[in-house]
Amino acid sequence: ELKVEQNPLFLSMQEGKNYTIYCNYSTTSDRLYWYRQDPGKSLESLFVLLSNGAVKQEGRLMASLDTKARLSTLHITAAVHDLSATYFCAVDQGNMLTFGGGTRLMVKP
Amino acid sequence: SAVISQKPSRDICQRGTSLTIQCQVDSQVTMMFWYRQQPGQSLTLIATANQGSEATYESGFVIDKFPISRPNLTFSTLTVSNMSPEDSSIYLCSVEGGGPRTEAFFGQGTRLTVV
Repeated sequence: ELKVEQNPLFLSMQEGKNYTIYCNYSTTSDRLYWYRQDPGKSLESLFVLLSNGAVKQEGRLMASLDTKARLSTLHITAAVHDLSATYFCAVDQGNMLTFGGGTRLMVKP
Repeated sequence: SAVISQKPSRDICQRGTSLTIQCQVDSQVTMMFWYRQQPGQSLTLIATANQGSEATYESGFVIDKFPISRPNLTFSTLTVSNMSPEDSSIYLCSVEGGGPRTEAFFGQGTRLTVV
């Protein structure tokens, strides 16, 4: 059974700081997704990582995938308040996604 | 990308009743997925719905409680039956992207409160 673990589960950070969210998974997969969820809203797709070594960047967020280590990271650079949300990684296992527990990010002014 | 319309967006229901959630996609898709997100929790897959066949349920979910219809390639429904307060959650439908699965798209979600 695939297990996906995210950490930290909760992150409070100051604006302007950098931080990394980690996503570990237990079985082989070469597709991993990052989503953002604002309170009361659905999921917004951030990144799709399709191969080992994949790195994608969008604004202050950068995601990477190491399939050998079964690890993905979501790096936040110079955080701003607008990034406050819950972030989920999800691992593709055939035709289904298994989600991590989510990281609730709060960026304080 | 796929545009998914889900309704209702929210509802408050009495225990013992049932609610049917609809999911409409703007393009034909082979597989549709139904997820549950309990308060403050991550998403858990309920079932996978293919057109023309019975839905495939994940461990812990049964057809009698969560019957699913998939009458065509653009539409699906999920019914939450004989509801109890423990069923209070957000329910989301999702579809796969085109080609080799490159992205999953989600509906807006249905926030269900059972009282």
